[in-house]
Order: sequence, then C-alpha cells, then structure tokens
Amino acid sequence: EAGVTQFPSHSVIEKGQTVTLRCDPISGHDNLYWYRRVMGKEIKFLLHFVKESKQDESGMPNNRFLAERTGGTYSTLKVQPAELEDSGVYFCASSRGLQLGKQYFGPGTRLTVL
Amino acid sequence: GDSVTQMEGPVTLSEEAFLTINCTYTATGYPSLFWYVQYPGEGLQLLLKATKADDKGSNKGFEATYRKETTSFHLEKGSVQVSDSAVYFCALSEPYNTDKLIFGTGTRLQVFP
Repeated sequence: EAGVTQFPSHSVIEKGQTVTLRCDPISGHDNLYWYRRVMGKEIKFLLHFVKESKQDESGMPNNRFLAERTGGTYSTLKVQPAELEDSGVYFCASSRGLQLGKQYFGPGTRLTVL
Repeated sequence: GDSVTQMEGPVTLSEEAFLTINCTYTATGYPSLFWYVQYPGEGLQLLLKATKADDKGSNKGFEATYRKETTSFHLEKGSVQVSDSAVYFCALSEPYNTDKLIFGTGTRLQVFP
C-alpha cells in the first residue's frame, strides 16, 4: 500500500506570506496527526484528527495555524501569516483505529521562513 | 508536563561496534515507550515498543527495556551495520492520551565501514 505522502517536500517563503502544507494519509486510516520539528529540537505534537473531526488540537501554537481535513481524507495545514519561528520540518502521520504508538509517518515538509 | 530526554549526537561508530543510545523520561502514571527510526529521505518508522515496566521491546537486532526505577528506555544493538545509520527518536505516550506521541530530540547515528 502507498505510504503517507506530503507536499511540498520543501517550501521557502518570506515572513508574512501564507503557506499551505498537504498530507495524504494511508488509505483507510481514520487517524491523522500533524507534528513539527524545529531545528535540533524535539518533534512536537500539533493536532490529531479522527476522520474529519479535530480530536486534540492542544499542540497548535497559535491562531496563525489552521488545519483542516474535509471529507476525512487528506489534510491541509495553513500558516498565515508565517513568522521566522515557524521554520522547521512538519510531519504528518496516520494510523488505523487504536494501534498504540504505531503511527505511519510521511517524509515531512521542510518549511523555511526568511 | 511529560517529556523525553535523549543523549545528544551524533554517535559515530565503526561497523560491528556495540550501540547504546540513552533515553530517559518524565511522566505521570505509566506511559508506553517507543523507539522510532528515520532513515535518510524517509518518514519515521516504529522500531520497537514496550508498554509496561520490565517489558523488553526488540526488532532488527535492536533492544530496549522499560526500566521504571530509573525511568529509562535505552536502545542497544550488539553489532551495528552501515545500514543502521539514521536518526533515532525515543518517544512516549501517556496512558490517558495514547494517540499523542511525545518525542525526544533525536540522536543521529553514523556507522562507518
């Protein structure tokens, strides 16, 4: 089966611009997660969808970040307006049902804000 | 809040050397513990896990034992290969929120022939 895919693989934008990241989970996976790794630091949880509903968005840093999962398939994460501290690698992961810790990760989108 | 601390890298080893990557955690209650691995250009993959004290997770020659008394989950391998070169992440999930993974900073392993 195809793995989790993310687009784009790399994005370079200027401060104040808008960027939208996309994640396509593994087909049939109801759970979709977004994480972020700022340079050299830990990977931090952002939010969790179950189908199209936000189950947990406790990790979203502020209201400049908007995540959607219309129709319960792919998800987008929009940053508007982007700030320098938003630079990092954004990972998406998916899982089917309750599989403790077994999340399938995409390769990540590297976002650079100049 | 709950957290994971890993040894800083990079860890540089010759092929067939013994590997230890240290991981300790802080958590309320009894978390589940995981090691994930990220090979170059790929997403993170679950390497092994342990869900309760004294459990040993193992996979591909790697092992880690859940030590409640020392709040540790150190990763070990007896003989590393060049193909083991990757970034290794220790992680936990809280018993009351098992879907949310809390990661350490990652440790890069470089194995040379």
